[in-house]
Order: sequence, then C-alpha cells, then structure tokens
Amino acid sequence: DSGVTQTPKHLITATGQRVTLRCSPRSGDLSVYWYQQSLDQGLQFLIQYYNGEERAKGNILERFSAQQFPDLHSELNLSSLELGDSALYFCASSPLPSGTDTQYFGPGTRLTVL
Amino acid sequence: AQTVTQSQPEMSVQEAETVTLSCTYDTSESDYYLFWYKQPPSRQMILVIRQEAYKQQNATENRFSVNFQKAAKSFSLKISDSQLGDAAMYFCAYRGGGSNYKLTFGKGTLLTVNP
Repeated sequence: DSGVTQTPKHLITATGQRVTLRCSPRSGDLSVYWYQQSLDQGLQFLIQYYNGEERAKGNILERFSAQQFPDLHSELNLSSLELGDSALYFCASSPLPSGTDTQYFGPGTRLTVL
Repeated sequence: AQTVTQSQPEMSVQEAETVTLSCTYDTSESDYYLFWYKQPPSRQMILVIRQEAYKQQNATENRFSVNFQKAAKSFSLKISDSQLGDAAMYFCAYRGGGSNYKLTFGKGTLLTVNP
C-alpha cells in the first residue's frame, strides 16, 4: 500500500458524459501527478499540481481538467467522454516537486466509456 | 523530447534463475533520474528501484539491481533468484532534473516466471 488513495476504483459511463476522479496523496505529500494508461498510448503524464497550483501539463486534452484543493486532495474532471478515453487513470504523489523525490502511485481508477 | 525504449515486449525466466530486462533512453540532459516500476495483475504501480544519473554506483534493492551505463544511455534491471511473485509488467521510466518532474515511461516488458 503506497498510501495514495483513489476513488472510485471502477467507473462505467456513456459517451458524452462527465466524470470526476478523486485522489488523496500520501500524508505530508504536497505534489500530485495524474497519469493515463491506455493500450494505445501506454502510460502518459497528464498534469501536475503542487500545493494547490498547477505546475506542469502533459498530453492532457482540453476536455480534461484538474485541481488540487486546500486539503491537498486532487480531482481530475473528464467531460464529453469518448470511447477512446477508456483507460486506467493513476494519481501519484511526492513530498515536493523536486528532482530527488520519488512518485508513489495510487491503485488507479479504471474508466470504461460505453 | 526524452524517449524511453524497452525492446523486449515479453520475457520469461525459471523460478530461482536470473533475468535481465533492457531499457534505453534518449536525452540531452546531464542531470536526470531513472526508475523501474512493477505492475502486477492488480494494476498497482510499485516502485522497484531508482538511480540518480550523477551516481556512478549502480543501485541495488535486495534481489533487484541495475546496470546503469550513462554514456550508452542504458539502464537494465537484473532480477536474481526470481520468484513467482516477480511476474508482472515492468516499466522503465525517466525523469529530468529540471523543473518538469513528469515521468516518461517505456512501453513495458511482461515478465513471466515459470515454476
């Protein structure tokens, strides 16, 4: 158990819908990262937050957005869902956004878009 | 942009034997970090080992060790005394030393351990 929690574990929804994925980082970690794992694209970095502020963006679609709240939990919002958005979404956390920190991953949320 | 290549989509090993998984990367940075993550059937991403590029000594964690060849941009993982629980997908990952701390992953190597 990495100490990173993600809810829900599984999510099944329809095309065009909107969903919210939630992540709670390890105790004391200020930085949160979101990754998408799909068969087509492999593991890809989406976005990073540090202490409530966006720090880096990767291959995140405009239909996707995220935020980190004062209690440091983070939410990833996916809207106008398409079949291709079906994937495993991971949250990871680290104490600081520094090069020496290791990112620890949560168990992931499996999103299925029908 | 940095890229990470794992040239072995699948590998197999007999229980108690040793296996080496390959990884190469491309970067123009001199300061960076390399990682091996394990993803068992549960899908959890588990850190196996990390290596700082500025360190010449290869990292080891119990039965897991790396062969880091900076000039060749190679970072292989050696698993000694393989156990059934080592069966998983293994991902090599790169992180730069600058202000972008994203991990760039390879496509993965699926390791099967035969009893």
